[in-house]
Amino acid sequence: SQELEQSPQSLIVQEGKNLTINCTSSKTLYGLYWYKQKYGEGLIFLMMLQKGGEEKSHEKITAKLDEKKQQSSLHITASQPSHAGIYLCGADKPTGTYKYIFGTGTRLKVLA
Amino acid sequence: GAVVSQHPSRVICKSGTSVKIECRSLDFQATTMFWYRQFPKQSLMLMATSNEGSKATYEQGVEKDKFLINHASLTLSTLTVTSAHPEDSSFYICSAPTSQGPQGGYTFGSGTRLTVV
Repeated sequence: SQELEQSPQSLIVQEGKNLTINCTSSKTLYGLYWYKQKYGEGLIFLMMLQKGGEEKSHEKITAKLDEKKQQSSLHITASQPSHAGIYLCGADKPTGTYKYIFGTGTRLKVLA
Repeated sequence: GAVVSQHPSRVICKSGTSVKIECRSLDFQATTMFWYRQFPKQSLMLMATSNEGSKATYEQGVEKDKFLINHASLTLSTLTVTSAHPEDSSFYICSAPTSQGPQGGYTFGSGTRLTVV
C-alpha cells in the first residue's frame, strides 16, 4: 500500500471556493514537499515543510505540517481554473532504505 | 541552481523495440537517481533507485530485466525500456537529491512521455 495517503482522491470545486487536500503518513516524516502537476508534464514545486507545526504560504496556497510531522494539509483560497491539476505530496520514505516517494495524488478540477 | 536534464521529452516507438531515457545532472554530481513511472490519473510510482557505481535497486513488481538502469557516472543515469509493449506507455521521470536544488532537496527532470504502438 502507498505509504503516503492523500485525500481526497479527486475534487471538483466551483471557482472562488476554498479547498483543502491532506497528506498522511503512518510514520514521522523528515520533510514534506508539495507539488503540482499535469499528467505528462513536469512537477511544479510548491512548498517544503520540515518542522512540526510549520506553515508556509505562496500566493493563495498555504501548507501546514502538523506537530507530529505525520500529516500535512494544503489549502487553496479562492480557487481559480489555473489551480487545476494533480497535487502531489512527497517525502523521504519514513522507514527502510533511503527513497523518495509520492503520495497517492489528488486531482483538482476548478469549474469556471 | 542544480538542474536535471531529461531526454527525450516525448518518444513513440514500435512494440518490441527498446527505448533509452537519459537524465543528466548539470552543475552537480548525482550519486543517486530515482526513477518514477506515472500512468494517467495516477500518482508517481517509484520504480527504482540507481546509485553511481553500483547496481540499481528495484521496487517490488518492477522487472529489472525489462527496465534496465545504468548509472555510469556521477552526471548520467539512464533507463532503458527493453522490448517495449503498449502497456509500457507511460510518463517516466527522474529525480536526484541535491542541497542545491530549486525544488527543495530534490531536482526533477522534465519527464519523458513514452508511447508504444
